[in-house]
Amino acid sequence: DIQMTQSPSSLSASVGDRVTITCRASQNINNYLNWYQQKPGKAPKLLIYVASSLQSGVPSRFSGSGSGTDFTLTISSLQPEDFATYYCQQSYSTPYTFGQGTKLEI
Amino acid sequence: QVQLQESGPGLVKPSGTLSLTCGVSGGSISSSNWWSWVRQPPGKGLEWIGEMYHSGSTNYNPSLKSRVTISVDKSKNHFSLRLSSVTAADTAVYYCAKVATPQLHFDSWGQGTLVTVSS
Repeated sequence: DIQMTQSPSSLSASVGDRVTITCRASQNINNYLNWYQQKPGKAPKLLIYVASSLQSGVPSRFSGSGSGTDFTLTISSLQPEDFATYYCQQSYSTPYTFGQGTKLEI
Repeated sequence: QVQLQESGPGLVKPSGTLSLTCGVSGGSISSSNWWSWVRQPPGKGLEWIGEMYHSGSTNYNPSLKSRVTISVDKSKNHFSLRLSSVTAADTAVYYCAKVATPQLHFDSWGQGTLVTVSS
């Protein structure tokens, strides 16, 4: 299985901050990397797919980059509604695997 | 926009079989997508269970493969999950999701249903 490791596991930030979350794959996954946002009691929501493509309806303050084994999710200016847990996920091969999550707190 | 809705018992006895259904609306289950199940134990991360295509092709997580069956009912536009020999470790929120092709990301999710394994 491909292991996905996110860092940090938790992050404290303020409204207006620029935030970066990192995801590392245990092997080359090309650009088959997706990012999700999950709020308590809700299903995950797709933000970014194939490393850098913004899902329709997602604000442009979210961006993704990377290829191979190292990827980043950046939120350019945090808004109150962005405080949530973020997961990366590889879709290069089954079993699809997720990172352990990054909890973004105020 | 496709919408997904999970349904099934919220309580299953140990050693029993967990059975859930995911209803698909706003689109056809016979479209060119895979359909998947993902679970999340309370307070923990996400685990992919498996997926199926309308043709009947399936892929399962090896960690669960011996206990999992995912099937489709095209006439009802829904797909189902069966997980046998459950233990307390299978207690989780179970989500169904649409896997968009060809990039294979989960672009639509059900709201999730909590299944508790307890006697």
